[in-house]
Formats: sequence, structure tokens, C-alpha cells
Amino acid sequence: GAVVSQHPSRVICKSGTSVKIECRSLDFQATTMFWYRQFPKQSLMLMATSNEGSKATYEQGVEKDKFLINHASLTLSTLTVTSAHPEDSSFYICSAEGTSLSHYGYTFGSGTRLTVV
Amino acid sequence: ILNVEQSPQSLHVQEGDSTNFTCSFPSSNFYALHWYRWETAKSPEALFVMTLNGDEKKKGRISATLNTKEGYSYLYIKGSQPEDSATYLCAFVNSGGSNYKLTFGKGTLLTVNP
Repeated sequence: GAVVSQHPSRVICKSGTSVKIECRSLDFQATTMFWYRQFPKQSLMLMATSNEGSKATYEQGVEKDKFLINHASLTLSTLTVTSAHPEDSSFYICSAEGTSLSHYGYTFGSGTRLTVV
Repeated sequence: ILNVEQSPQSLHVQEGDSTNFTCSFPSSNFYALHWYRWETAKSPEALFVMTLNGDEKKKGRISATLNTKEGYSYLYIKGSQPEDSATYLCAFVNSGGSNYKLTFGKGTLLTVNP
């Protein structure tokens, strides 16, 4: 089946530095990539949607200059958390859609636990 | 803000028990309802995508029903096994917008004791 590989699974970084998270679709072309984050005891919250070759669409309250999304190819999307601060510590996860409508659900990465110290 | 609620938050059952949990979602602008199974340290795995009122879908011992008019879906597990232990997420897709965005509930954490 379809697989999305997400790296790194865990990262600890110092406050003020930037962190890049990658999601690669291994056996299909991801035309749309969704990026979510999840705080403890909360639901997965959509941050942004990116279509290959286009600028990402950010959800209300998500700073686009802080969370840079690149979806330059059909198999790779990246999320860069710039100038990370402790409040950015969270679980980040991507999901990909490879067709105009996925009848079988979206394919998720395994997530990245970011800790900013 | 779309409200998707799941209950219960967590559930402990014995091996062999049958169980069910609920997802409630807005009854207007419905497009689809997704169910995912999420084991710790793994990727969420799609179980069902349901689109029609009255839909019933089955995958092995797991089945789901959908009522779009009243805004709820049930997930059933028959004869629970320890390997069914996971968080079960539902996600609502509304009919507005050009991307099929998912709005998730907080999930139901199922623990099946041997």
C-alpha cells in the first residue's frame, strides 16, 4: 500500500534555531500534503495544505512565516519551523493524498516529536 | 470551527469482548467521514471512508455505520483482541473548499487486556 516516510521521528533543538521535517511519498505521487500538529490531549489540528508546485494554504492562526512549507515535487514536502521556541514543542504529522479524492483514506507519516529547549 | 466529538475518551475491555464507540460531527455540509486506527509510534491507518447516509462498512472484525442526518458514526469491534489496542480516530470532511480537509476528533483509546 501507499507509504509516507516522515523524518526525523524525534528532534530536540535549541530555542531560536530552525528545524526541518520531511515527508516523502514512497510509492505514489502526493499531489496534496496536509500538515498537522497535536498538543497533549488534543486532536490533530490542521496547520496547512500544500499542493505540488503551489504556495501552501495556512489555517487561521498559523503563522506562515514561522512554519515554512515546501512542496516542490510530487514525492517530497517539507515543513520548516523557523526560530523555534518552547511553545512550538509539539507533535507534527503529515498526510498525503495522491488522487483527486482518496476513497481509501489519506496516507499518514509516522510523525515528528519536536522539543524546543 | 467544526466540532467533532468522540466518546468515550478511553476504554478498557477484555479479550473476546465486543465494543463500540461513537463519533459525532456536524450534520450540515457533510462530504465524508473517515475512521483511522493509530497504534503508538506508527502511522495512522485508514479503516473506512464513509460517504452515504446509512452506509455500513466492514473490515474483518471491525465495522462502522453512518448517520449523516443526525451527525454520528459508530465503530464496532467484534471479539476484541490485544492487537486491536490503539487509538481510533474519526475525521469529518465538509463539502466546502477545494481541498478535502480532515477535522479530527480527539480519539478513543482502546486497551484490550489478554
